[in-house]
Amino acid sequence: NAGVMQNPRHLVRRRGQEARLRCSPMKGHSHVYWYRQLPEEGLKFMVYLQKENIIDESGMPKERFSAEFPKEGPSILRIQQVVRGDSAAYFCASSEDSRTYTFGSGTRLTVV
Amino acid sequence: EDKVVQSPLSLVVHEGDTVTLNCSYEVTNFRSLLWYKQEKKAPTFLFMLTSSGIEKKSGRLSSILDKKELSSILNITATQTGDSAIYLCAVEAFSDMRFGAGTRLTVKP
Repeated sequence: NAGVMQNPRHLVRRRGQEARLRCSPMKGHSHVYWYRQLPEEGLKFMVYLQKENIIDESGMPKERFSAEFPKEGPSILRIQQVVRGDSAAYFCASSEDSRTYTFGSGTRLTVV
Repeated sequence: EDKVVQSPLSLVVHEGDTVTLNCSYEVTNFRSLLWYKQEKKAPTFLFMLTSSGIEKKSGRLSSILDKKELSSILNITATQTGDSAIYLCAVEAFSDMRFGAGTRLTVKP
């Protein structure tokens, strides 16, 4: 089991472009969580998804950000029209039972 | 390859006990070590450690980093049932961050 896989590890985008971050959960895990880590801060919850459903998106900005977890394939965090303030590390965690979590190594987004 | 190993994976204690959680790491270009408490969907930040030998305290929790031994411990004294959670250790390098598998602490009344 390869664990939670996030790609790309590093992503550079110009202002106004779109960023797509992928998270493949551990085999058998149907719960996916996305977090953002800003410099010198802890992890901030963004969204919680279960296969094909968004369960809790209370931490996600209302505009430009969206997330999906399709029946087949990885979960995608999509940021449209990126701005410099979107630069951060984005982490994904997966869970089988929403009690134990396995984290990926993150995607570092840099907006130039 | 970089890795973070936490021990024990699971721990059950009674209220009032003192617990010590361990985190060891092998990373290139170490930058900091972070401890989190995860109860539900959002980890709560506890400590960030960058310097060896300097203890950080917050109430009944304390943590210290040993760069020579490539490890850190998280101590919780006089445990309470509210301390029951998964405690995550994460190690930050200059271009990477690795999480351990966590220690599940259960504090019984």
